[in-house]
Amino acid sequence: DSGVTQTPKHLITATGQRVTLRCSPRSGDLSVYWYQQSLDQGLQFLIQYYNGEERAKGNILERFSAQQFPDLHSELNLSSLELGDSALYFCASSVDLAGAPGNTIYFGEGSWLTVV
Amino acid sequence: QQQVKQSPQSLIVQKGGISIINCAYENTAFDYFPWYQQFPGKGPALLIAIRPDVSEKKEGRFTISFNKSAKQFSLHIMDSQPGDSATYFCAASIAGGGADGLTFGKGTHLIIQP
Repeated sequence: DSGVTQTPKHLITATGQRVTLRCSPRSGDLSVYWYQQSLDQGLQFLIQYYNGEERAKGNILERFSAQQFPDLHSELNLSSLELGDSALYFCASSVDLAGAPGNTIYFGEGSWLTVV
Repeated sequence: QQQVKQSPQSLIVQKGGISIINCAYENTAFDYFPWYQQFPGKGPALLIAIRPDVSEKKEGRFTISFNKSAKQFSLHIMDSQPGDSATYFCAASIAGGGADGLTFGKGTHLIIQP
């Protein structure tokens, strides 16, 4: 158990709908990252927050947004869903910024999103 | 743009053999290179990591070899066991964070045959 908690574990929704994925980081971790994993694209970095502020942005679509709340939990909002958005979405957390000395990034078990 | 290229895509090794997975990167600003192991239904978990000031790091049966001039690094699993069967991802990032957080390779599906 990495200590990173993601809900829901599985989600099936229709095209055009909106969903929210939730992440609770490890206790004490200030950084939260969101990744999308699909068979053809591998692990794609979406966005990172550090202590409530957006720190880095990757290949995140405009239909997607995220935020980190004062209690450090984070939510990833996916709207106007398309079939191609079906994927496994991972949240990860770490004490410090990615790549910082001694900083380990821990991943949750993911949220499976199926868009039908 | 794929900044970290990983090969092979899949690998079958006999029990007790050496598993070797290779990665190459393009961004010379990368200075942190972790390897992650992922079992089905689980999130990736950090296996071992290296920084460019050393050419090799060993932890148990797992060794990272790093070649800064060639911009390549590899994972060697000695005495491979069936329990090592998983997907392995190499990754790279810039200390202090960068625009891409951790950039991952596309993964290697490793099967260790008993």
